[in-house]
Amino acid sequence: EAQVTQNPRYLITVTGKKLTVTCSQNMNHEYMSWYRQDPGLGLRQIYYSMNVEVTDKGDVPEGYKVSRKEKRNFPLILESPSPNQTSLYFCASSLRGGLIYNEQFFGPGTRLTVL
Amino acid sequence: AQKVTQAQTEISVVEKEDVTLDCVYETRDTTYYLFWYKQPPSGELVFLIRRNSFDEQNEISGRYSWNFQKSTSSFNFTITASQVVDSAVYFCALSEGGGTSYGKLTFGQGTILTVHP
Repeated sequence: EAQVTQNPRYLITVTGKKLTVTCSQNMNHEYMSWYRQDPGLGLRQIYYSMNVEVTDKGDVPEGYKVSRKEKRNFPLILESPSPNQTSLYFCASSLRGGLIYNEQFFGPGTRLTVL
Repeated sequence: AQKVTQAQTEISVVEKEDVTLDCVYETRDTTYYLFWYKQPPSGELVFLIRRNSFDEQNEISGRYSWNFQKSTSSFNFTITASQVVDSAVYFCALSEGGGTSYGKLTFGQGTILTVHP
């Protein structure tokens, strides 16, 4: 089954404790991205990757890192989480970026709480 | 820069009422895509519709219909005879074609729809 998976689905952590949210897709997609969802703000893009070893900042990259060492995986790293990073996070992928038609496949979401 | 505005933060209706969710967008591109997503209480994002900027035909899918008007930069979504299962957060989104947007989806703030029995 074609899908985007995220782990963990739920995470409660404390300020400053490094964490990684994994994202994996099995559709051989080139383009992957991370969004965060906050009440009243909708979803905002954090980082995106056009292909392996190619990543770039989205609209709200502060406090996050990403890597793209393999085509299927695009982990989101919070080196020193803070309470303002408490949010619902979505990973998404599409065949490739930069084209007019971009069908994005979304993961199920990761609900992160930073105390 | 692209922008999507959903002015209705919350809407509450009684079952079987019709309800329209508004979406207004801004873009400098002539080529773009518009989307609607549904987010039920379980949290996942459910794709509802995609419309490209060259196709202004209205679309109907069962109880759902969409009205795209380039003249007013609007892409409104109507649910006819609403049901309790329609209760969710609905997002309108815009994707510009190529350039520096690289396939990014710009989302509106979302509209929380509650349908009461």
